[in-house]
Amino acid sequence: GAGVSQSPSNKVTEKGKDVELRCDPISGHTALYWYRQSLGQGLEFLIYFQGNSAPDKSGLPSDRFSAERTGGSVSTLTIQRTQQEDSAVYLCASRTGRDMNTEAFFGQGTRLTVV
Amino acid sequence: AQKVTQAQTEISVVEKEDVTLDCVYETRDTTYYLFWYKQPPSGELVFLIRRNSFDEQNEISGRYSWNFQKSTSSFNFTITASQVVDSAVYFCALTSGSARQLTFGSGTQLTVLP
Repeated sequence: GAGVSQSPSNKVTEKGKDVELRCDPISGHTALYWYRQSLGQGLEFLIYFQGNSAPDKSGLPSDRFSAERTGGSVSTLTIQRTQQEDSAVYLCASRTGRDMNTEAFFGQGTRLTVV
Repeated sequence: AQKVTQAQTEISVVEKEDVTLDCVYETRDTTYYLFWYKQPPSGELVFLIRRNSFDEQNEISGRYSWNFQKSTSSFNFTITASQVVDSAVYFCALTSGSARQLTFGSGTQLTVLP
């Protein structure tokens, strides 16, 4: 595909369940970011992958959150034992190479609702 | 650590007015890049512009212009003759050599009234 693809677009889950959110970055983009956007709020950085380097996990809010990126492409964000405060839109972005002078392209996000 | 501050939470203007969105950044790095993104009601973030720390030239693109001033650590965005379609949340962002994460400000909700 031409852009960053995220699935599902919407997810409703019960409190305490685990969820997996998927991100397909633009082909060839080695940098991948996950952000969380709560209603009416800004973008909260979660995690950053760059090629085969160790990911920057400094933004993950708790050990219930984890992410992996397989084969340097697709990424999965997992939230275990979901809580109501996890309800938000989860955005994925990808960027080409290590060069900072490139814009990040965003997917349309996954809207997670924990009931 | 790096930080982006957008002090204006919400701005409302009448169509055809000019409006400036403020962005102030903090970083210890001498090499860094600044970005503006637009998030329309549909939700998808759209890239508008990037600027590197060595290029202080202002830029104009149609009704949009950007003023980068290192002396005040600001990268402000002006929309001239605003239109209803400009209504969106606008985010300023920063990435730098020591922190490759892309740090966003809290955003400014711009509403352009007809």
